[in-house]
Amino acid sequence: DAKTTQPPSMDCAEGRAANLPCNHSTISGNEYVYWYRQIHSQGPQYIIHGLKNNETNEMASLIITEDRKSSTLILPHATLRDTAVYYCIVSFNDYKLSFGAGTTVTVRA
Amino acid sequence: GAVVSQHPSRVICKSGTSVKIECRSLDFQATTMFWYRQFPKKSLMLMATSNEGSKATYEQGVEKDKFLINHASLTLSTLTVTSAHPEDSSFYICSASSTGTSGISGYEQYFGPGTRLTVT
Repeated sequence: DAKTTQPPSMDCAEGRAANLPCNHSTISGNEYVYWYRQIHSQGPQYIIHGLKNNETNEMASLIITEDRKSSTLILPHATLRDTAVYYCIVSFNDYKLSFGAGTTVTVRA
Repeated sequence: GAVVSQHPSRVICKSGTSVKIECRSLDFQATTMFWYRQFPKKSLMLMATSNEGSKATYEQGVEKDKFLINHASLTLSTLTVTSAHPEDSSFYICSASSTGTSGISGYEQYFGPGTRLTVT
């Protein structure tokens, strides 16, 4: 699987949008971009995934650049419960997800 | 939907004993289950992948005789840590995915809440 690069940490204000960047410059044409998050001492939670097009669900939006070398996860209205480590992963499918260090997001009141 | 449970959530055992951890998909049939371990302040590390009715595929460096995995049904996989030692203390997490049945797209893994193992 291709590697991803994420900032180690970021803070955001409660109620504001949180934009989490991810670089995946070596992504292959048939690899998806997945986002998971892990709240402290819990198992990871699936957020969203995409291939080429932007995606939106009840949790977040995923914006993938046209060249697919980077993406941004958007949490539209961050709450304190969104404090977690967010992982950006590229994979052919959901097999063998390779978790990197992720971004530790702290939402502050 | 797509709920995965693990049991127990926490276990403390003495060095040299074996511990079994169960992973269940509660509302879908999991054709594939994965086992991860996570050390404090570290990321998840995939240990093995198992398909129902088949032998598990272990990642490089993971001892298959120490970490026994059984995936006997489409809703249950077990991980047995044999002859546990203090260095096996970790957070063990399972996940499950499906090939598109039971309302699951097959494109994402659903994770259990994890099992905290402490070997004394």
